Amino acid sequence: NAGVTQTPKFQVLKTGQSMTLQCAQDMNHNSMYWYRQDPGMGLRLIYYSASEGTTDKGEVPNGYNVSRLNKREFSLRLESAAPSQTSVYFCASSAEGPTYEQYFGPGTRLTVT
Amino acid sequence: GEDVEQSLFLSVREGDSSVINCTYTDSSSTYLYWYKQEPGAGLQLLTYIFSNMDMKQDQRLTVLLNKKDKHLSLRIADTQTGDSAIYFCAESISGYSTLTFGKGTMLLVSP
Repeated sequence: NAGVTQTPKFQVLKTGQSMTLQCAQDMNHNSMYWYRQDPGMGLRLIYYSASEGTTDKGEVPNGYNVSRLNKREFSLRLESAAPSQTSVYFCASSAEGPTYEQYFGPGTRLTVT
Repeated sequence: GEDVEQSLFLSVREGDSSVINCTYTDSSSTYLYWYKQEPGAGLQLLTYIFSNMDMKQDQRLTVLLNKKDKHLSLRIADTQTGDSAIYFCAESISGYSTLTFGKGTMLLVSP
C-alpha cells in the first residue's frame, strides 16, 4: 500500500499561471481533503470531499477549485496563481466514522513568484 | 465555534519525559488526535482517544484527557532525538468527517 500520494513534490509558478495538484489514495477511503500549511497558521482546510461525486468548501476555498475524479483521486486546481498561495499543500484521506482518523500525503511545496 | 490551542514550543533533554498540552473549546468533540510532523514530511497519526476515555497508553506515549477542563496532553517517556518534530492536536465532532487542528507544538530534543 502506497497510502496517499501527491504530485508534484515541488513547483514554482509565476503569478497568473495555473496548475493542478494531484492526489491519490489506495486505502478505499470515501473522504478526501486538501489543506494548506503556512508558518504560524497550522493546517487550514481548503476543500474536502465526503464521498465520490461531492465536494464542499473548507475554511480557505477562495482561489481554488477541486475535482473528485473517482474514489481514489482528488485534485486541487489553482486557476490564476497568486503569491499568497505560496504554501505547502497536503492531501489526506480518512477512514469511515466514528474515528475519522486522517492519513496524509507527503505534501507539495508551491512557490508563486 | 471550535478552536484548538497549543503552546508553540517545547525543549527537553534526551531521556527526559516530554508533555505537550492542548486545549479545545467544543464540548461536542468525540475523538481527539495527536499527529507528528517531521521536517519536510506529511503528518503521521500517532494516536487518538475517544472522548469518554481518561487515558490511553501506547508504548512510550500516554494520552490524558480531562473532559471537564477540555484539556488534552501527550506524554512521551524517555524522549529521543528522533522525537524532535512538530506535534499537532486535532478534534473531530460527532457526525462530521472534518478535523480541526491546533497550530502545532515544536518539540526540540537535545542530546
